[in-house]
Amino acid sequence: DIQMTQSPSSLSASVGDRVTITCQTTQDINTYLNWYQQRPGKAPKLLIYDASKLETGVPSRFSGSGSGTGFIFTISSLQPEDFATYYCQQYRNLPLTFGGGTKVDIK
Amino acid sequence: QVQLQESGPGLVKPSQTLSLTCSVPSGSIRSGNHFWTWIRQPAGKRLEWVGRLFTTGSTDYNPSLKSRVTISGDTSKNQFSLELSSVTAADTAVYYCARERRWVGAFDMWGQGTMVTVSS
Repeated sequence: DIQMTQSPSSLSASVGDRVTITCQTTQDINTYLNWYQQRPGKAPKLLIYDASKLETGVPSRFSGSGSGTGFIFTISSLQPEDFATYYCQQYRNLPLTFGGGTKVDIK
Repeated sequence: QVQLQESGPGLVKPSQTLSLTCSVPSGSIRSGNHFWTWIRQPAGKRLEWVGRLFTTGSTDYNPSLKSRVTISGDTSKNQFSLELSSVTAADTAVYYCARERRWVGAFDMWGQGTMVTVSS
């Protein structure tokens, strides 16, 4: 299985801050990586697919980059509704696997 | 955002079979552009892909669960189902059904999730 490591596992930030999350994989996955947001008690929501493509309807303050084994997810200016947990997910190989999550909370 | 709907028992006894059903928008399960997927999340843990169904009836399963999992579809009811046999407390989790967009492996539509507890 391809293992996914996110860092940090949690962070505290203020509204307006720039937030960066990294995701590393144990194998080269090209750009076969997606990012999700999960609010407490809710299902995950797709934000970014294919490493850098913004899902329809998702605000442009969210972005993704990277290829191979290292990826970055960025929120350019954190908004109150962005406090949530974020997950990366690879689709290079089965089984599809997820990162451990990064919880973004209010400083 | 939530357009799928899971249903099934919230409590299952150890060694028994967990059975869940997911209802999807009319006609969608026939789509050749999507997989129909089950994902679970134990409390405080990462999401775990359980397996998926394609419109042809073909399936893929997580090897860690493969001997116990069956995913099947009913196009007449626009539903797909999960059966997980010989459950233990380790199978206690929120179970989500989701639609995977083919070619990009992205889960773009989800159910709200259903909590299943394995306990006697």
